Amino acid sequence: QVQLQESGPGLVKPSQTLSLTCTVSGGSVSSGSYFWAWIRQPAGKKLEWIGRVYTSGSTYYNPSLKSRVTMSIDTSKNQFSLKLTSVTAADTAVYYCATLTWKVARMDVWGKGTTVTVSS
Amino acid sequence: QSVLTQPPSASGTPGQRVTISCSGSSSNTGTNSVNWYQQLPGTAPKLLIYSNNQRPSGVPDRFSGSKSGTSASLAISGLQSEDEADFYCAAWDDNLNGPVFGGGTKLTVL
Repeated sequence: QVQLQESGPGLVKPSQTLSLTCTVSGGSVSSGSYFWAWIRQPAGKKLEWIGRVYTSGSTYYNPSLKSRVTMSIDTSKNQFSLKLTSVTAADTAVYYCATLTWKVARMDVWGKGTTVTVSS
Repeated sequence: QSVLTQPPSASGTPGQRVTISCSGSSSNTGTNSVNWYQQLPGTAPKLLIYSNNQRPSGVPDRFSGSKSGTSASLAISGLQSEDEADFYCAAWDDNLNGPVFGGGTKLTVL
């Protein structure tokens, strides 16, 4: 059973870059069974899909965040990562990594989530 | 404003049946299947229903889903106190080329 765990700084200063990593256990990022996705949820608000990366390294981002987002995959560490540049308070949220079945919005496995606060 | 529209709240007493609606458009729920997620307080969302009406292993059959046209519904029968949670619908959006979510429905068990 695949399990996911997010990690990264809980506090980021405005205008800086948010960097998170999701470590995969019980499975391999190279398996090709899933796409690997990032989703975020501001406090008291709805879920927002940020984007996805595939085992090949191909990516697709939500157009609303595309100019600031980079995702990558590290098969040697069995991890995938998220970078979000030029953050503002509006980027404060719980960030989740999840598996994603393409074209069906099905996210079977989620990490527990990590809270990122943007503040000086 | 969410792409998928859900009522912000729903409630019921133990043992009752409650339904939660989800309304979208031709680019998402009208064309693609709907999934439902349950988010217990302080936890990550959990897949509850996929492909409109399929339950992942381990999800009780008290939970059921349906879809007609651009609308979908989640039904919970035999309501239990532990069902108190936020419920989100989600569907693939062909314009976004990614998943979109409803605004969430907070279920209260009275």
